[in-house]
Formats: sequence, C-alpha cells, structure tokens
Amino acid sequence: DVVMTQTPLSSPVTLGQPASISCRSSQSLVHSDGNTYLSWLQQRPGQPPRLLIYKISNRFSGVPDRFSGSGAGTDFTLKISRVEAEDVGVYYCMQATQAYTFGQGTKLEVK
Amino acid sequence: QVHLVESGGGVVQPGRSLRLACAASGFTFTDSGMHWVRQAPGKGLEWVAVISYDGSKKYYADSVTGRFTISRDNSNNTLFLQMNSLRAEDTAVYYCAKSDTDGFGVDYWGQGTLVTVSS
Repeated sequence: DVVMTQTPLSSPVTLGQPASISCRSSQSLVHSDGNTYLSWLQQRPGQPPRLLIYKISNRFSGVPDRFSGSGAGTDFTLKISRVEAEDVGVYYCMQATQAYTFGQGTKLEVK
Repeated sequence: QVHLVESGGGVVQPGRSLRLACAASGFTFTDSGMHWVRQAPGKGLEWVAVISYDGSKKYYADSVTGRFTISRDNSNNTLFLQMNSLRAEDTAVYYCAKSDTDGFGVDYWGQGTLVTVSS
C-alpha cells in the first residue's frame, strides 16, 4: 500500500502570511499513463472535504489562485500565498495512482 | 451544479447491517465512477470503495472487503453501500464522492451520513 506522510501535522499561521504543507509518498505516484494522481483537499470545520488541487498543480473550479501545488515523484507541496481566515481547517493530500490513500491531515490554524 | 446527498446512517448494534444511499444530481451519473470515503470521529479520511460508471468494476479497502458491498442504480442516479457484520471501528461519517473526469481522483463530495456502531 502507498503510505502518504504529511508535514507538519499542525501549522499555526498569521493572517496574510504564506503557508506550506508537504506530502511525501512511500512510492512514486507516476502512473503508467504518465500522469501523477496527487490531489489536495481542504476540510473546513464541520464541513465535508473539498477538492482544491488535482494532478499535482491544477486548481479545481472556483479555487482561489492563492492556492498552488507543486512537486513530482514522491514529494509534493501545497502553498497558500497569503492565508485568509476562511482557509482555517484541515488539509489532506490524496493519491489515486495506486488504489487510494490519504495523508494524515494538516491542521491550519491562525496564531 | 453537482449535488450528492447521503442517507441511511444511524445507530446499529455490532454484527448487524445497514444500507447507505447517495442520491446524485447535476451531472451525468451514468458517465461517472463513484466512491465511498469515511471519517471516524476526530480522525482523518479513509477510502472505502469505488464502483465504475456501469457497475462492472468494484474495489474495496482491505478493512471492509467481504463485509461491505458497493452498488449503483443508474436508472435512479443512486449509489449504495451495503454494510454487513458491522464493527465498532466502522463508526464514522460516510461520504459519497464523484470520480473526477480522469476517473482516478475525486472531485465532488456529499455532506456525509453518520454511522454509529454500538451496543
């Protein structure tokens, strides 16, 4: 099974400042079709998850451009250029290259 | 606008069964694979099962294989999860989610339905 490891597990940030979350997979996420099926999800308190980024760096419909994704192979990063109050919640990476697994989640909270 | 509404959750005793449903609208259901993902109280996300657009392919997490069955009714745009031999560790919010256009990830999620397994 592919294990997804996120760091940090908690990230206190100041509003208006950047934030970054890392996700590492135990195996390469490059699929035989050449794509890398690594997504980032946001879960606000009391809400279901919401897709932010798919295939490493593609923003989903309606997602603000302050969110960006990068990486390759086994190492991936979600960046928020300037954190807003509505960004508070838990962020998960998810791989869909080999079955489906999620990272443990990173809690983004305001200092 | 994609809309996924789960139902069927509740309190059930260990060893008993429960059937969840997910009513889908706002997209062509017959073109899309569908997933069930669960989240135990205060915990992270755990993928449970996926079914192909036509129901011909089904895959399960090891933790539910042999106990849970995913199915769909394409004439009524509804996804199901039959859960048998329930255990305390199956207690969670169960979300249905739509496969994305690539057929690998998930894009839209429902609000979830809570299943509590307790005597």
